[in-house]
Amino acid sequence: GAVVSQHPSRVICKSGTSVKIECRSLDFQATTMFWYRQFPKKSLMLMATSNEGSKATYEQGVEKDKFLINHASLTLSTLTVTSAHPEDSSFYICSARARGGYEQYFGPGTRLTVT
Amino acid sequence: GQQVMQIPQYQHVQEGEDFTTYCNSSTTLSNIQWYKQRPGGHPVFLIQLVKSGEVKKQKRLTFQFGEAKKNSSLHITATQTTDVGTYFCAGPGANSKLTFGKGITLSVRP
Repeated sequence: GAVVSQHPSRVICKSGTSVKIECRSLDFQATTMFWYRQFPKKSLMLMATSNEGSKATYEQGVEKDKFLINHASLTLSTLTVTSAHPEDSSFYICSARARGGYEQYFGPGTRLTVT
Repeated sequence: GQQVMQIPQYQHVQEGEDFTTYCNSSTTLSNIQWYKQRPGGHPVFLIQLVKSGEVKKQKRLTFQFGEAKKNSSLHITATQTTDVGTYFCAGPGANSKLTFGKGITLSVRP
C-alpha cells in the first residue's frame, strides 16, 4: 500500500527558532500534498494544499509567511514553522494523493513542542 | 462554506454491541470518504462512496451513502476492542480539498 513518512516524529524547539518538517511519499508520486494541524481530541484542520512545482494554497487564517511550504518534487513536501511560538505547539500531519487518485494517505505526524 | 458534521463526538459501547454513527453534509457531495485514526496514530483511509444509496461492506463495517448524497452512515457489527479509535468522514470541497468532520471517538468496554 501507499506509504507516507514524516520526519521528525517529535521535535522540541525554543521559542523564536524555526523547525522544518519533511513529508515523503515512499512508493508513489504525490502530485498533491496536504498539511494539517490537529489539536488534542480535535479534528484535522487543513492548513494548506501544495501541488508539485507550484505555490501552496493556504487556508484562511493560516499565515503563509509563518508556515512555509515547499513541494519541490513528486515525493517530498516540507513545512517550515518560522519563528515558532508556544501556541504553535501541535500535531502536524501531512497527507499525499497520487495523480488521478482520490484517497489521501497520511503520514504518521510530527509532534511539535515549542518551549 | 461546506460543513461536514458528525455528532456526537464520543460514544462508548460494550464489546459485542453494534455501533452506528452518522455524517451529515450541508451540501450535496460527489463522494464521501471515511478514515479511522487509532489512538496515537494517524488517519487511515477506509473507504469511498460515490453513488447515491451505495452500500459497501468491509468485514464487520458497513458504510452507506444517502440517497440525496448529503449524509452517510457507518455501522459496526459486534464491536471489538480493535475497533477503538476516531472515525472521520470527509467530503470533497473546492480545489480537491477534503472537508473533515470532527470525528467520533469510539471506546469499547471489554
